[in-house]
Amino acid sequence: DARVTQTPRDKVTEMGQEVTMRCQPILGHNTVFWYRQTMMQGLELLAYFRNRAPLDDSGMPKDRFSAEMPDATLATLKIQPSEPRDSAVYFCASALSTSNTGELFFGEGSRLTVL
Amino acid sequence: SQQGEEDPQALSIQEGENATMNCSYKTSINNLQWYRQNSGRGLVHLILIRSNEREKHSGRLRVTLDTSKKSSSLLITASRAADTASYFCATTRGSARQLTFGSGTQLTVLP
Repeated sequence: DARVTQTPRDKVTEMGQEVTMRCQPILGHNTVFWYRQTMMQGLELLAYFRNRAPLDDSGMPKDRFSAEMPDATLATLKIQPSEPRDSAVYFCASALSTSNTGELFFGEGSRLTVL
Repeated sequence: SQQGEEDPQALSIQEGENATMNCSYKTSINNLQWYRQNSGRGLVHLILIRSNEREKHSGRLRVTLDTSKKSSSLLITASRAADTASYFCATTRGSARQLTFGSGTQLTVLP
C-alpha cells in the first residue's frame, strides 16, 4: 500500500527551538511538495522539488525555513528558530511528473505547535 | 495567495440529499482538481477536469468547469454521513505542476 509517510505526526515545542519534519515520498515519485495549512491562510505551498532539485521555494520564509532532499526517499523541512506563528499542520505530498493526472498524494501531516 | 475561493464555506445537509460546492479561480488554468480532507487527515484526490473539458463524472461525483466564468462545481449525489469532510478545489497553470488550493468547503452530512 504505497503512501507518503510523515514524521512526527505531532510536535509541541518552545519558541526558539529547532524543528525538523521528515517525509518519505511514494517510491518512484520524483516530485515532492511541502504545504502548510492554517485556519487563516488555508493551504500554502512552501517548497517544491523535482528529482531532488528545488524548483520553487518562494513561499517559504527564507530566514528560518529550509527544505532539502538528501536522497530520493527523504525530504526534510527544518525551522530554526521556531516561532508561535509557525504553528500549523505541515503536509508533504509526492507525485510523478510524467503522470497524466497531475494527482498529488498527501501524507497525514505533521501538526506543529510552538509555544 | 490562494487561487481559488470556494462557496459555501460550510454546508450542512441530510443524508440522501445532493451537495453542491462551487469554486472560483482567478487566472487561466491547465486543469482543476478536487480533493477531500477528513478531519485530522491528509488530502485525497477525487477527480481532475482539464481546461478543455466541461463536465466529468466519477461514481457519485459530478464536476463541471466553466473557463469563461473561471468557475467549477462539485456535485455529490445521494450523500452519506461518510461524505462529511472538507472539499478543496486546486488548480495548475502553465508548466507548473504545483497545485494552488482554494479555501475549502466544510460539508456535514447528517444521518
